[in-house]
Amino acid sequence: AQSVTQPDIHITVSEGASLELRCNYSYGATPYLFWYVQSPGQGLQLLLKYFSGDTLVQGIKGFEAEFKRSQSSFNLRKPSVHWSDAAEYFCAVVGILTGGGNKLTFGTGTQLKVEL
Amino acid sequence: DSGVTQTPKHLITATGQRVTLRCSPRSGDLSVYWYQQSLDQGLQFLIQYYNGEERAKGNILERFSAQQFPDLHSELNLSSLELGDSALYFCASNVQGSNEQFFGPGTRLTVL
Repeated sequence: AQSVTQPDIHITVSEGASLELRCNYSYGATPYLFWYVQSPGQGLQLLLKYFSGDTLVQGIKGFEAEFKRSQSSFNLRKPSVHWSDAAEYFCAVVGILTGGGNKLTFGTGTQLKVEL
Repeated sequence: DSGVTQTPKHLITATGQRVTLRCSPRSGDLSVYWYQQSLDQGLQFLIQYYNGEERAKGNILERFSAQQFPDLHSELNLSSLELGDSALYFCASNVQGSNEQFFGPGTRLTVL
């Protein structure tokens, strides 16, 4: 069964500093990977996705992520963090289920705090 | 705005009660997914429907059930509610063959 690990529960960075959020996945086949962001009391917004091809993917709000098959990782990065980036970030992998269905398996999330 | 709508936005009820959460998928999407986000369990997949038929099941309790109607909207029914059912319930939708799911804003359920 697929799984996603986000080792950092909380991360604090200063505004303007660079950011890297870690994500490790476990999946038997080629993974389809996502990063979502959730602001307090809000829904899930898709930041970026990796399906195949170029292992460095660009997303919205200046975020990017790099897929590294050898490390089973899909880390999210941003060169300069803005105060509005404070939120919870979720990494997810799609799993194909018996019968043709699929589901997203999420990590436990990383809470990002931005210090001004 | 993802195009997926969920009602109500908030729901407060008592233990033992039954509630129904509603989801309307994006226009053209035949698949609907339900997820639960709780402090204890995080974000968990509950169930998927495709064009009216149940397609996949996750960690959904027997007290919970769902269905998808001919107009493709879906309802998640939660019965004999317990305090631990308090959570944010998300609906998502996509087209057949797509691995990207589009999420609604969620329904926050509080069981007192």
